[in-house]
Amino acid sequence: QQPVQSPQAVILREGEDAVINCSSSKALYSVHWYRQKHGEAPVFLMILLKGGEQKGHEKISASFNEKKQQSSLYLTASQLSYSGTYFCGTGASGTYKYIFGTGTRLKVLA
Amino acid sequence: DTAVSQTPKYLVTQMGNDKSIKCEQNLGHDTMYWYKQDSKKFLKIMFSYNNKELIINETVPNRFSPKSPDKAHLNLHINSLELGDSAVYFCASSYSQGFTEAFFGQGTRLTVV
Repeated sequence: QQPVQSPQAVILREGEDAVINCSSSKALYSVHWYRQKHGEAPVFLMILLKGGEQKGHEKISASFNEKKQQSSLYLTASQLSYSGTYFCGTGASGTYKYIFGTGTRLKVLA
Repeated sequence: DTAVSQTPKYLVTQMGNDKSIKCEQNLGHDTMYWYKQDSKKFLKIMFSYNNKELIINETVPNRFSPKSPDKAHLNLHINSLELGDSAVYFCASSYSQGFTEAFFGQGTRLTVV
């Protein structure tokens, strides 16, 4: 079952912050975040393997709450280049199933 | 050198035809996947292969048949194409089962007319 992301879409002005959430009805063993620009392939941003782990990538960071089966992606001081669709991805131990969330379309305006 | 390459990038074909999409990765990964991305941008897993062996078939119609001649290649053959097959198909690979990042090919935009 696909993890559900919220919000579905968000529009920001340059310099504003955003939070994208990813919730799963099943246990999450790992969470990955990807960004897909229009007409391109998804590109890996970061992976979180442990519950409570937080990771950062430039001005983009993420947290993973294993108990709540949730992960959040934080984008601070957004830039035009952040525009795209963000996906969380998750794999389960012992399976080769790597599934993606419903996606969040983010648009940053000048 | 492209890590995951798939061909063709665009494919326009008529209903009822048979077509193939090829995928190759030079990353030495054991696991490869096919995903379908529809007009709503949902990325749905179709197949997962590990070391040439089919692991997952996600309720995909029998008209779709993946083939992995070796662990670096995973091709997708589609028989009797239907209008609903129109989508972007992505090939991806990862080092292991879901714990490492996936690398994607550039996608194949399939349009069935």
